[in-house]
Amino acid sequence: DAKTTQPPSMDCAEGRAANLPCNHSTISGNEYVYWYRQIHSQGPQYIIHGLKNNETNEMASLIITEDRKSSTLILPHATLRDTAVYYCIVRPLDTGRRALTFGSGTRLQVQP
Amino acid sequence: NAGVTQTPKFRVLKTGQSMTLLCAQDMNHEYMYWYRQDPGMGLRLIHYSVGEGTTAKGEVPDGYNVSRLKKQNFLLGLESAAPSQTSVYFCASSSRGTYQPQHFGDGTRLSIL
Repeated sequence: DAKTTQPPSMDCAEGRAANLPCNHSTISGNEYVYWYRQIHSQGPQYIIHGLKNNETNEMASLIITEDRKSSTLILPHATLRDTAVYYCIVRPLDTGRRALTFGSGTRLQVQP
Repeated sequence: NAGVTQTPKFRVLKTGQSMTLLCAQDMNHEYMYWYRQDPGMGLRLIHYSVGEGTTAKGEVPDGYNVSRLKKQNFLLGLESAAPSQTSVYFCASSSRGTYQPQHFGDGTRLSIL
């Protein structure tokens, strides 16, 4: 799986948009970008995934650059409940292992 | 919607004891997984299953056994618990299809004394 690089921590004011970057410069053509988050003491939660087009769902938007070497997860109106560790994961269509490789992630702190 | 349910939520064992962790999902998912998460680290895959009656080893399988007798259940067994197995254990499931997201339970916190 391609390596991802995320900032270790970020702060965001409640009600503002949270923009979480991820660098995946070695991504290959068959690899998807997934975002998960883990709120303290809970299991990881799937947020969104995409291949090359921008994606949006009820939780967030995913912006992938044209060269696919980086992406940004956008939480449009962050709330205190969005405080969590956010993981960017790059995964091919079929790893054979079917595991998710969680790196260190970005710890997002939403401030009141 | 229950999703993925793990039991028990907490357990303390003595070294050498055995126990079984239960994972149940009600989403009719074909694939199920067991991960462990140690403090400050990411999740590591222990075993996984792609269907009833089928299991496979993940990244850190030693000291664990699994069984998938029913599609909705995936059991993780510790044969002889060791302090190194103190961890938080997460179960996940997903639909067939390689880009389908995994859905996680809330974990079992296991301490081995």
